[in-house]
Amino acid sequence: GAVVSQHPSWVICKSGTSVKIECRSLDFQATTMFWYRQFPKQSLMLMATSNEGSKATYEQGVEKDKFLINHASLTLSTLTVTSAHPEDSSFYICSGVGLAGGRLYEQYFGPGTRLTVT
Amino acid sequence: AQTVTQSQPEMSVQEAETVTLSCTYDTSENNYYLFWYKQPPSRQMILVIRQEAYKQQNATENRFSVNFQKAAKSFSLKISDSQLGDTAMYFCAFMTLYSTGTASKLTFGTGTRLQVTL
Repeated sequence: GAVVSQHPSWVICKSGTSVKIECRSLDFQATTMFWYRQFPKQSLMLMATSNEGSKATYEQGVEKDKFLINHASLTLSTLTVTSAHPEDSSFYICSGVGLAGGRLYEQYFGPGTRLTVT
Repeated sequence: AQTVTQSQPEMSVQEAETVTLSCTYDTSENNYYLFWYKQPPSRQMILVIRQEAYKQQNATENRFSVNFQKAAKSFSLKISDSQLGDTAMYFCAFMTLYSTGTASKLTFGTGTRLQVTL
């Protein structure tokens, strides 16, 4: 099956600093990648959609200047949380969509990154 | 806009028994996909089963099957012979396939926490 990796799996940073999360599709080309945020015991909340080589489309209420998304290649997308604050602490999940095993449009999810801002 | 409703926040089932998780959705689209995802304690999202709206036959994957009622906009998941490893959060999700050939984002329900007991 299609595999998506995320790095790091867990990061702790100080308030005011920036942190970058990488999302890689390992065995398929992800034409579109999605970034989600998930609070404990809640559903996934879509933050933004990124297409390779294009600017990301952010969901309403998501600060684009705070959550910078780059999708520079068909296998890599990054999410940078700038000037992080404790309220940004959350679980961040990426997913990729592309032709993987003949199943177009199916989202393949990364294992997630737990961000803790102190 | 599409909405997905899961009315059962928590459910419990004994090992080897059968359980059904409910999901209803609302859409004006005609061409769409429905999914059930499992999120175990590891928090990795795992696709359990998918259903194309144009297919009348209910999808099955081993112990997992769906009851897709298109007119009623209902998409329930039946887990047979429940196993301890089925303990997880289950999310119902909806995706539109546009006439241009592109897929929309996934819209998730709020989830049902399933506990399988001995």
